[in-house]
Amino acid sequence: KAGVTQTPRYLIKTRGQQVTLSCSPISGHRSVSWYQQTPGQGLQFLFEYFSETQRNKGNFPGRFSGRQFSNSRSEMNVSTLELGDSALYLCASSSDPGTGYSEQYFGPGTRLTVT
Amino acid sequence: GESVGLHLPTLSVQEGDNSIINCAYSNSASDYFIWYKQESGKGPQFIIDIRSNMDKRQGQRVTVLLNKTVKHLSLQIAATQPGDSAVYFCAENIRSGGSYIPTFGRGTSLIVHP
Repeated sequence: KAGVTQTPRYLIKTRGQQVTLSCSPISGHRSVSWYQQTPGQGLQFLFEYFSETQRNKGNFPGRFSGRQFSNSRSEMNVSTLELGDSALYLCASSSDPGTGYSEQYFGPGTRLTVT
Repeated sequence: GESVGLHLPTLSVQEGDNSIINCAYSNSASDYFIWYKQESGKGPQFIIDIRSNMDKRQGQRVTVLLNKTVKHLSLQIAATQPGDSAVYFCAENIRSGGSYIPTFGRGTSLIVHP
């Protein structure tokens, strides 16, 4: 089974621009979560999508948004980029059998650099 | 590979030793805990989990201990191997919306010397 894939792997953007990152979950997985990882703040939860609906959201400004498609693929968007948005963005998927938690499988991440 | 964090606490051990990595969590409402391993250039990988109604759980070469009184979690790795070198994170999870919201620790860098 193919793992979680994220595209692109590396991205350089200019302050003020917007960016869209893509995540393809493991086949059959219905839950997709997004995380931001920085040296200063560590790993932080952005949001989780399940069946095309945002189920949970972390403490990030509204510039960070996401969506999930009917095939469970997900995208996240960051508008009006700031230098502090430079980070590794990780996506994770899980099968979510309805018991509240199932193991998450992480992708390799997208390294975003804002200049 | 990419660095996952700067100025992380570091634990250096010799191959074959046992390693203990500690984590303090903050929310007494957290009821599910996970340890992850992250190697350079890769995403985190699930190691072992424990629910709040347990105080110990064992896996292959790993044991997680949970002390809810002092909000402390530890990961013990037996017979540590060079391949165990990585950054280790704990995550506390709170139930929300039919799922969980995770909060991660800062991580500990484990270095295993052959």
